[in-house]
Amino acid sequence: GQNIDQPTEMTATEGAIVQINCTYQTSGFNGLFWYQQHAGEAPTFLSYNVLDGLEEKGRFSSFLSRSKGYSYLLLKELQMKDSASYLCAVNNYGGSQGNLIFGKGTKLSVKP
Amino acid sequence: DTGVSQNPRHKITKRGQNVTFRCDPISEHNRLYWYRQTLGQGPEFLTYFQNEAQLEKSRLLSDRFSAERPKGSFSTLEIQRTEQGDSAMYLCANPSPGLVAYEQYFGPGTRLTVT
Repeated sequence: GQNIDQPTEMTATEGAIVQINCTYQTSGFNGLFWYQQHAGEAPTFLSYNVLDGLEEKGRFSSFLSRSKGYSYLLLKELQMKDSASYLCAVNNYGGSQGNLIFGKGTKLSVKP
Repeated sequence: DTGVSQNPRHKITKRGQNVTFRCDPISEHNRLYWYRQTLGQGPEFLTYFQNEAQLEKSRLLSDRFSAERPKGSFSTLEIQRTEQGDSAMYLCANPSPGLVAYEQYFGPGTRLTVT
């Protein structure tokens, strides 16, 4: 079956660093995505990993280990506007033409 | 703004009524996906179009749901005889061109409330 796990909620302090973990088991794999979603809004793309290693993009970095079925999203210098849900999603190319399988999301609360 | 638009943004309907949503994708992107998202969950795949061809439908898409994409341009999702369990955000996604569904661009969604 298809399974993507991530913590339900996390809390962190403004200015700090937070790591959101994601583990996955899918029938196919053609890349892992992280999306940010503010309440009541559509997901917005943050990062994409298809090879093992770390991808850095400003305050956000994402890591992938395909052998472990594991990824994390690292957010540095947290700001209040980073309070949102963070969705881990796998491109299940082996399944159906590359639709995304999403985890339930991690709700991050950034406190002053 | 991702360039993908959806209408209406909000829809409140009574149980048993039919509703139709529209997605206008980025013109040069030939693939289009519909997802449904309920509170506290991630988006769930409903169906996928390549140009005008509907290539896959999820088991979540019951007989009451139908989707079209005439001429490979905009797409519509219709729900007949709505039920309270259909209340959700309906998202249209439009990946960038290429062999890999890289960076799917999501529209703002249509929030459906069935009373």
